[in-house]
This record gives sequence, structure tokens and C-alpha cells, in this order.
Amino acid sequence: SQQGEEDPQALSIQEGENATMNCSYKTSINNLQWYRQNSGRGLVHLILIRSNEREKHSGRLRVTLDTSKKSSSLLITASRAADTASYFCATGGGTSYGKLTFGQGTILTVHP
Amino acid sequence: GAGVSQSPSNKVTEKGKDVELRCDPISGHTALYWYRQRLGQGLEFLIYFQGNSAPDKSGLPSDRFSAERTGESVSTLTIQRTQQEDSAVYLCASNLGGNTEAFFGQGTRLTVV
Repeated sequence: SQQGEEDPQALSIQEGENATMNCSYKTSINNLQWYRQNSGRGLVHLILIRSNEREKHSGRLRVTLDTSKKSSSLLITASRAADTASYFCATGGGTSYGKLTFGQGTILTVHP
Repeated sequence: GAGVSQSPSNKVTEKGKDVELRCDPISGHTALYWYRQRLGQGLEFLIYFQGNSAPDKSGLPSDRFSAERTGESVSTLTIQRTQQEDSAVYLCASNLGGNTEAFFGQGTRLTVV
């Protein structure tokens, strides 16, 4: 079974708008990571947030982590058509040290 | 190598045949993962190797699936007596362990006809 569950399953926005994706998980974690996938092939790492961190930024990306609610959010600001992709959260550590477990992903479409 | 390399990129096989998928991780990466991704779905964990520890095989869907890794080098995922439901993209990833960033290969698209 998947550890992380993203929502929404699909998100459609206009260029320039912000996109927010959420991830919930079930067991204790050491860290949570977000990945991007284009065209159903290899994933690219975006950002990693550790369990003792609450917020992290990288360029137009902002990730929050609430361990009490077992949830995380990924915000992409000022979206571009090139941001169109699938986004996955992955949890690692806790009771499964090192093993990364992925959710079902959010399909983001940014219309020019 | 510069990144995680998987071969072949695409494989079409007849139902009932065995297939071997190969993954060359980034040199020095102690951890290696295999995932399966069906069309439009998320990543399904298959198996995880970490250094010299016993692999975590908890995600292998049946005894037709097996994987090996020699030391911290190449890994092969073997699917015996392939079935049509095995059709998917098989993704390999490696990292330094300790819950660090994982690097993915481009995957092998397996089609069982």
C-alpha cells in the first residue's frame, strides 16, 4: 500500500496562478520529499524536508510539513506552462528506514 | 556514471517468457530501489537494497518477481513467466541511503503481448 496520498488527483490552472498540492501519510517519517515526473518516465527530485522542519523554500517552490497532522503541501508560485507534469510526494524513514514510499501523484496542467 | 542507467529502454515480450531488466546505479550509492508504474498510476514499491543488509522484498507482487544486486553495483530485476498485467514502466533509483535525495533512471517500458 502507498504511504503518501496526494490531493487533488488533478489540478488545472492558468499560467501565472499558484498551484497547491497536498500529501498525507500514515506512519512516522524521517523526511518527506517531492518529485516531478514528465511523460511517465524518470522522476526528478524537487525538495526534501526533514521531520524537524516546518517549511522550506527552493526558487518558486514552497513546502510545508505538519507532522502532527501527518501532512505536507507543495506550493508552486507564478506557474508556467513548463510546470505541467505529475508531482509525487515520497516518505522515508520512520519504521522503514531509508525506504522511499510514493503516493499516487497529482497531475498538474498549466494552461498558457 | 553520470546518472542511473536502465536497460533496455523498451522491451516487448511474449506472455510466458522471462525477462531481465538491468539497473546501473550512481557510483557510490549504497541504496537501490525498484518501482513499478502502471499507466496513469503512482509508483508501486517493489524491492529495496541498502548496502550489505538483507533486501526489503516486501513489495514484490509474486514469486515470479526477483531481484539481485552484487555489492553496491548493478542490479537486475527478473520477471519469470510474464503475464499481461506485468506490462508497466519499471523504474530504478539510487541514493546514499539515510533518507537522502533519490536519483531515478529513465525506466524500462515492458509490454507483454
